[in-house]
Amino acid sequence: KQEVTQIPAALSVPEGENLVLNCSFTDSAIYNLQWFRQDPGKGLTSLLLIQSSQREQTSGRLNASLDKSSGRSTLYIAASQPGDSATYLCAVNTGFQKLVFGTGTRLLVSP
Amino acid sequence: GAVVSQHPSWVICKSGTSVKIECRSLDFQATTMFWYRQFPKQSLMLMATSNEGSKATYEQGVEKDKFLINHASLTLSTLTVTSAHPEDSSFYICSAVPSAGTSVYNEQFFGPGTRLTVL
Repeated sequence: KQEVTQIPAALSVPEGENLVLNCSFTDSAIYNLQWFRQDPGKGLTSLLLIQSSQREQTSGRLNASLDKSSGRSTLYIAASQPGDSATYLCAVNTGFQKLVFGTGTRLLVSP
Repeated sequence: GAVVSQHPSWVICKSGTSVKIECRSLDFQATTMFWYRQFPKQSLMLMATSNEGSKATYEQGVEKDKFLINHASLTLSTLTVTSAHPEDSSFYICSAVPSAGTSVYNEQFFGPGTRLTVL
């Protein structure tokens, strides 16, 4: 059974810092991995999707990497801003588009 | 593009009543939609896979007779919580996968969620 873990569970940083969120999964047989952002009481916003054959994806200040063989992905956020405060979720596609979600990292960026 | 809506955004109902939640893909067709449930401060758990024109596939531990899913068209799936009880109170989120042949195939797009509170 696929299990997805995110570390740390919570993170508080001052504005401007670069930070890394970690995601690990137990079964390397995945089709792709997605990073999402969730604001309190809201749905999910897709940030980046990495196909199993890719090593990384970039969008603006965000960079996600994938090491499928070791079961790890990282989300790098450069020059963090208060507006980045949210819960970040990673999810792996185990086949037939089924997503298994991680436990999430709650990020707080203070001004 | 690739917008998914849910209705209602929140609902409060009495114990024993049934509640229907709609999930619509607004600008694309989706053969497959998914329903997730999220309890406070927890991650999303997949409840079922909704396939247009066929029966839904439920995850282990999810009662199919309690959570009725109907995917009657390529843009609409509904989740009906029957005889709701307080323990069914949760945040329900749907997602839709664009049908093959579109530029964003292989990616899921999520609705804004529906907050259900059963008194």
